[in-house]
Amino acid sequence: EAGVVQSPRYKIIEKKQPVAFWCNPISGHNTLYWYLQNLGQGPELLIRYENEEAVDDSQLPKDRFSAERLKGVDSTLKIQPAELGDSAVYLCASSPGDRGEQYFGPGTRLTVT
Amino acid sequence: AQSVTQLDSQVPVFEEAPVELRCNYSSSVSVYLFWYVQYPNQGLQLLLKYLSGSTLVKGINGFEAEFNKSQTSFHLRKPSVHISDTAEYFCAVSEGYSASKIIFGSGTRLSIRP
Repeated sequence: EAGVVQSPRYKIIEKKQPVAFWCNPISGHNTLYWYLQNLGQGPELLIRYENEEAVDDSQLPKDRFSAERLKGVDSTLKIQPAELGDSAVYLCASSPGDRGEQYFGPGTRLTVT
Repeated sequence: AQSVTQLDSQVPVFEEAPVELRCNYSSSVSVYLFWYVQYPNQGLQLLLKYLSGSTLVKGINGFEAEFNKSQTSFHLRKPSVHISDTAEYFCAVSEGYSASKIIFGSGTRLSIRP
């Protein structure tokens, strides 16, 4: 069974440029998460989807960040425009249900110069 | 609101020595507890979880953790570590009886010396 797939693995952009990250969860997992992980810190939730509905986006900076999960499968996280402080690893995870563990992708390391 | 404290940011140990990584949480309700491991340049992987039942939980790679409700702790232990255990370890707590949203600690870097 394939795990959570994320692309790209690495991205370097200049500040004020847009950037997008893609995630394909494990087949059959209805719940999808996007996390932000700063260096030396634990993951922090940005947004959680149940199927195609964003059920928790309270920590998503909506002035520059947006996300979508069309058809309730794969998802895209976008930043526009990127700022220097956005440099971090963006992790995607999926889960089969309420008591299930979260399965993480390898992450996308973003560097904003 | 729930929170997780991992007091040790780094723990160096010699190979084949025992190790304990400490985790304390705060919550006004009953919770689920987790330990995740992150190897370099990889995503997080579940080591073990406490949902209910026995307070001693066994996980993968020889790790175990004990849930102590009175001390609000969930320390991770391994009797004998290997070089391959070098990684970052994260403790996490759920928001109530739902694994849908979990809060991660800041992590403990375990470094194994030969």
